[in-house]
Order: sequence, then C-alpha cells, then structure tokens
Amino acid sequence: SAVISQKPSRDICQRGTSLTIQCQVDSQVTMMFWYRQQPGQSLTLIATANQGSEATYESGFVIDKFPISRPNLTFSTLTVSNMSPEDSSIYLCSVAGTSSHNEQFFGPGTRLTVL
Amino acid sequence: GENVEQHPSTLSVQEGDSAVIKCTYSDSASNYFPWYKQELGKRPQLIIDIRSNVGEKKDQRIAVTLNKTAKHFSLHITETQPEDSAVYFCAARDNFNKFYFGSGTKLNVKP
Repeated sequence: SAVISQKPSRDICQRGTSLTIQCQVDSQVTMMFWYRQQPGQSLTLIATANQGSEATYESGFVIDKFPISRPNLTFSTLTVSNMSPEDSSIYLCSVAGTSSHNEQFFGPGTRLTVL
Repeated sequence: GENVEQHPSTLSVQEGDSAVIKCTYSDSASNYFPWYKQELGKRPQLIIDIRSNVGEKKDQRIAVTLNKTAKHFSLHITETQPEDSAVYFCAARDNFNKFYFGSGTKLNVKP
C-alpha cells in the first residue's frame, strides 16, 4: 500500500483565515481524494483532485471554499478558505488506483479547529 | 450519485460472539465494496473488500458477503475480541472510481 503523509497534523485557526493542507504520497497514484470527517460522523467526499486539471467537487462543496491543487501524481493540497467554526473537522486525503485491484488508502488526517 | 446505508449504528456483543454489519447501495454500476475499521483518533484502515464478481470473501475471523441483485453487502466478524471494538465503515466505489461511505457502526465487544 502507498505511504501517505499530511501536513499539518492539526491546527487551531481563527475564523476568517485560510489553511492549506498538504498531502504527499510515496508513489505515483491515479486518483487522489479529499474527505471531511466531522466528529462522530462518517467520511464525506469533498472532491476528486485531478492531475493537470480542476478538481471535481461533490454536491455541497465549491471551489471558492475548498480550492484544490494537484501539480503532479504524488502531491495535492486542499485549502479551507474563510474559515468558520463549522469547518472544524478532520480532513483526510486518500489515494486509489482505477483498476479493479486498486484499493483506497487514507492519510493520517488533519484535525482542524476554528475558533 | 451513489447512496450507501449502513446498519446498525451501534452494536454491542459479548466477547466470543459474532457481529454482523449490513450495508445497502443504490448504484447498480458500483463494482467494489471495501470495509474500513477506524479506531479512535486514527485513520480508517482497510480490513477486507469484495469485488462485484465475487459473492463471498473470508480472511480469518472476518468475512464479507455481497448480493448484487439485492444491492447489499455484509461484514461478519466471528469470535469477537475486545480489540475488535472500533467504528466500522462500509463503502462502495462507483464507475467514476469515487468512494461513498456508509454512516458507520460503532462496535463494542464486552470482555
């Protein structure tokens, strides 16, 4: 399985500010995703990070709020913009292949608290 | 898009008993169904998966079954141990290679 790291692991931010989360993988992967997991809840897909093109966002998530970059096949960033306390959550990146034999694995997550 | 439902939300069993968690999905094109275990403060870990061309898969004490016609799949844990206590998530991958998760089941194995 791929080794996935995220930075920062946690942060406490003031409302109105922005935070950029980095996701690094130790090998080239086809698919990279960003999820949000609110306390005690399931994982909600925010967007698919596409290499060389704009991310594909799920219903309820927009690019202005969650801009995503994916400059190559091993790296992606998610920015949480103009934060409010409702953005307090764990943000996880994940990677997967596209063949029937490629599972999805998760990064360690970034715990964000917005005051 | 895909919709995955998971039951029960909580499950309490005695050590040594079996536990069963059930999920249904809506998109008949979904082709891959993983199960994840998430311990408190940790990332979800893949524990077993099943592909749409298989009806059952077993790995030691855990097994997964898939009924494509009914669009449901289940996780079975036998001889449960206290270290099995965690939150378990089912997921389905659609034909755009996106994964959608169930709401989770908190399993408590009482010693």
